[in-house]
Order: sequence, then C-alpha cells, then structure tokens
Amino acid sequence: DVVMTQSPDSLAVSLGERATINCKSSQSVLNSSNNKNYLAWYQQKPGQPPKLLIYWASTREYGVPDRFSGSGSGTDFTLTISALQAEDVAVYYCHQYYGTLKATFGGGTKVEVK
Amino acid sequence: EVQLVESGGGLVQPGRSLRLSCAASGFTFDEYAMHWVRQAPGKGLEWVSGITWNSGNIDYADSVKGRFTISRDNAKNSLYLQMNSLRVEDTALYYCAKTGCSSTSCYVNWWGQGTLVTVSS
Repeated sequence: DVVMTQSPDSLAVSLGERATINCKSSQSVLNSSNNKNYLAWYQQKPGQPPKLLIYWASTREYGVPDRFSGSGSGTDFTLTISALQAEDVAVYYCHQYYGTLKATFGGGTKVEVK
Repeated sequence: EVQLVESGGGLVQPGRSLRLSCAASGFTFDEYAMHWVRQAPGKGLEWVSGITWNSGNIDYADSVKGRFTISRDNAKNSLYLQMNSLRVEDTALYYCAKTGCSSTSCYVNWWGQGTLVTVSS
C-alpha cells in the first residue's frame, strides 16, 4: 500500500506570512499516460468534515482562495498558503488516489497562528 | 446542492454489528464512485472502503476486510456499510464521501457530516 508522510506535524505562522506543508508518498502517484498526479489536499476545521482544496496536485477547487496552491510531482508534493489568514487555522491532509479505489491519507498537519 | 446524510451510528458492544446508511441528493448518484472514510476521536482520516458507480469494483482497507461490506442502491440514491464483528478500534466518526469523477481513481469532492460509531462494552 502507498504510505503518505506529511511534514511537519504542526506549524505556527504569523498572519500574512507563508505556510508550507509537505507530503511524500512511498510510491509515485504520477500516471505517465495522462501526466496527472493523483494527489489531493483537504482542509478540516474543528467539528467540520474535510473540504477539498486541491486535486490533481495543483488544480484548485472552485471557490478556494488563490492563496492556496499545490505543487510537486511523482512522490513529493507541497501545499502552500501564500499569506495566512485567521480562517485558515485548520488541519490539512494530503490524499493519494492513484490506480485503484484504495486510497490513503497523510497523517495531517495542524496550522496555527503564531 | 450536494447533500450526503449519514445515519445508523451509535453505541454497540464489541463483536456486534451495525449498518450505516448514506442518503445522497443534489447530484446524479449513479455516475460517481463513493467511499467511506473514518476518523477516530482526535485522530486523522482513514479510508475504509470504496465502490464504483455500478458496484463492479469494490475495495477495503486491510483493517476492515472480511468484516465490513460496502454496497449501494442507485435506485434509492443510497450508500451502505455493513459492519460486523466490531472492535473497540472501529470507534470513529464515519464519513460518506463522493468522488469528483466517474473513473475508479478519483479525489473526494464532497463529504457528509458523519455518523459516530462507538464500540464499547
């Protein structure tokens, strides 16, 4: 099974500053036939279900602010919040969905305001 | 608007069974694969099971294989999870999740609010 490792486990960032979350997969999630990385990012606020932010590693979901961006390919991926807002305090998860129905999530990264 | 409403959770003793349901609306249910994802209290997300639009492809996490059964009724716009031989470690909030495309390998683009399953004696 593909293992997803996120880092750091938590980070504290000042309002308006950049937050960077990393996600590494144990196997490549790049499909060379369509050049798509099967990697998504979600945001989960306390007491709420997760919300899709990014899919195909870098495609922003409709309605997601453009301060959120995803990058990377193969096994290494990054979610960047360019200028942290108070409403961005949450736990962020990466998710690989390559090849089959079976999916795996990263362990989560908690983002707080410094 | 997409709505996924889970039901069927509750307190159950170890070794007993429970059946979760998910009522879907606001989209063409039979066009999308669906998943169950759980979250133990204070923990991260764990994929449990998935099913394609026509039930032709089904898979389970190793932790539940042989004990849980996923199914769907497209005529009723409903997803189910039959959970047998429940264990304390199955205690979690169970989310019904809709994928964003018709193919087998796809991201989740909508989540229900979840139904809480507590396994305890």
